[in-house]
Amino acid sequence: EAQVTQNPRYLITVTGKKLTVTCSQNMNHEYMSWYRQDPGLGLRQIYYSMNVEVTDKGDVPEGYKVSRKEKRNFPLILESPSPNQTSLYFCASRHNLLDGYTFGSGTRLTVV
Amino acid sequence: AQKVTQAQTEISVVEKEDVTLDCVYETRDTTYYLFWYKQPPSGELVFLIRRNSFDEQNEISGRYSWNFQKSTSSFNFTITASQVVDSAVYFCALSEAPGLGYGQNFVFGPGTRLSVLP
Repeated sequence: EAQVTQNPRYLITVTGKKLTVTCSQNMNHEYMSWYRQDPGLGLRQIYYSMNVEVTDKGDVPEGYKVSRKEKRNFPLILESPSPNQTSLYFCASRHNLLDGYTFGSGTRLTVV
Repeated sequence: AQKVTQAQTEISVVEKEDVTLDCVYETRDTTYYLFWYKQPPSGELVFLIRRNSFDEQNEISGRYSWNFQKSTSSFNFTITASQVVDSAVYFCALSEAPGLGYGQNFVFGPGTRLSVLP
């Protein structure tokens, strides 16, 4: 089944403890992206990637890192999480710029 | 910069009523793509439709229809004879076309929460 898989689905962590949210797609898509969803703000793009080793900042990149060492994987790294990063995170991929994104199921992160 | 506005934060209708969700966008590009996504209470994001800026034909898919008007920069979504299962948050999104840069920005509106009451 074609899908975007992200893990974990739920995560509660403490301020400053590094964490990684994994994302993997099995559709051989070139483009991948991370979004965060917050009430009243919709989805905001954190980072995106056009291909292996090619990434760029979205609208809200502060406090996040990404890497794209393999085409299928695009992990989101929070080096020192803070409470304002409590949010619902979505990974997404698409084949080309004409397509819509296919989204993962989301990761609900709480930073206390 | 791109921008997508969905002025209706929340809408409530009674089952079988028709409802229109508004989407207004801003872009300097002449070539762009518009999308609608549905987010049901379970939380996943479901792709509904894509429309490119050169195709102003309205589209109908079952009870769903979309009205794209370039002159007013709007891409509205109508659900006919709404059902309880249509209750969800609906997002409109705008994507730039490939240009000299990667043109990868894919911008969502804030969403409209639709509640369909039985």
